[in-house]
Amino acid sequence: KQEVTQIPAALSVPEGENLVLNCSFTDSAIYNLQWFRQDPGKGLTSLLLIQSSQREQTSGRLNASLDKSSGRSTLYIAASQPGDSATYLCAVLDSNYQLIWGAGTKLIIKP
Amino acid sequence: GAGVSQSPSNKVTEKGKDVELRCDPISGHTALYWYRQSLGQGLEFLIYFQGNSAPDKSGLPSDRFSAERTGGSVSTLTIQRTQQEDSAVYLCASSPGTVQETQYFGPGTRLLVL
Repeated sequence: KQEVTQIPAALSVPEGENLVLNCSFTDSAIYNLQWFRQDPGKGLTSLLLIQSSQREQTSGRLNASLDKSSGRSTLYIAASQPGDSATYLCAVLDSNYQLIWGAGTKLIIKP
Repeated sequence: GAGVSQSPSNKVTEKGKDVELRCDPISGHTALYWYRQSLGQGLEFLIYFQGNSAPDKSGLPSDRFSAERTGGSVSTLTIQRTQQEDSAVYLCASSPGTVQETQYFGPGTRLLVL
């Protein structure tokens, strides 16, 4: 059974710092991995999608990597801003076409 | 264009009553998904539709839960004889074609069963 783990559960850093969020999964048989952002009272926003054949994806200050063989992904946020404060969720699309979710990392960027 | 919309945004019901949650996907999106996020827990997959058919219903927690999609567009998630443990945020998402594409999420329906 696929399990997704995100570390740390919460992170608080000063504005301007670069930071890394981690996601690990137990079964490497995935179709893709996605990073989402969840703001309080709002829906989920997809940030980056990495297909199983890809190693990384970039969008603006965000860079996500995927190492399928080791079951790991990282989300790198450069030059963090207070507006980046949110919960970041990692999800893998497993062999049954189900999205399996991590519990999220709650990120707080202090001005 | 408009994103995924869900209604109602909030629903309070009494234990034992039936509730119906609605999802309007992005126009033209053929795949539609339902998830549940209980308080303090991660997101849980419930069911997905490709067109009007649901290839995988294994995520539905019990036979009190059912979902349908008509006309390849609107979907309804029905919970019969609601229980307190059904209280959660129910999220709907859609994607343009296959399940391997990016999913776009609605704002969710917050269900509270008293």
